[in-house]
Amino acid sequence: DAKTTQPNSMESNEEEPVHLPCNHSTISGTDYIHWYRQLPSQGPEYVIHGLTSNVNNRMASLAIAEDRKSSTLILHRATLRDAAVYYCIPRGSTGNQFYFGTGTSLTVIP
Amino acid sequence: NAGVTQTPKFQVLKTGQSMTLQCAQDMNHNSMYWYRQDPGMGLRLIYYSASEGTTDKGEVPNGYNVSRLNKREFSLRLESAAPSQTSVYFCASSEEGFPYNSPLHFGNGTRLTVT
Repeated sequence: DAKTTQPNSMESNEEEPVHLPCNHSTISGTDYIHWYRQLPSQGPEYVIHGLTSNVNNRMASLAIAEDRKSSTLILHRATLRDAAVYYCIPRGSTGNQFYFGTGTSLTVIP
Repeated sequence: NAGVTQTPKFQVLKTGQSMTLQCAQDMNHNSMYWYRQDPGMGLRLIYYSASEGTTDKGEVPNGYNVSRLNKREFSLRLESAAPSQTSVYFCASSEEGFPYNSPLHFGNGTRLTVT
């Protein structure tokens, strides 16, 4: 399984951009990079995923390094509702097994 | 669409009791999963089912059994509950198939306390 490294916690001011990094240096060529977030007392929810190119959706952007050993989840304007734990998960080589690490706990300061 | 539905939402058991956690999805997904999350921790995979009729162990399968009853339903059974199984249990589903780029959809969880 590809291992990931994420900071334990980060802070951001409200309405400012947030860049959440993830290192996945052992990722294989066919692994997609998935991001999920978990709000307090809720189940995780899907945010975004990509393979090689940068990806955008209404929630966030995903920037993937050219060598694919790292990626960055970008929240363009943080809101208080974005306070959550964010998980980066490479997926593909082990097929059906999504493995969650401990993620990054994002605090948004009003 | 209800998505992924888990029952019950809360449960308290005494050590040694048994119970089954139920999970159903209405998205016609092939794969289903059971995770547990202990306080302050990330999610750990207990069992998963790649398709109807198949089940496989995840990271922490000891003390649990599962049944993929049909394509919609995937249940998790605790035969003899122990305090170490106090946790929040999440069921999830995904459409699946190579190249494994289908996102997971989660239920709202079952909060289980074993005394």
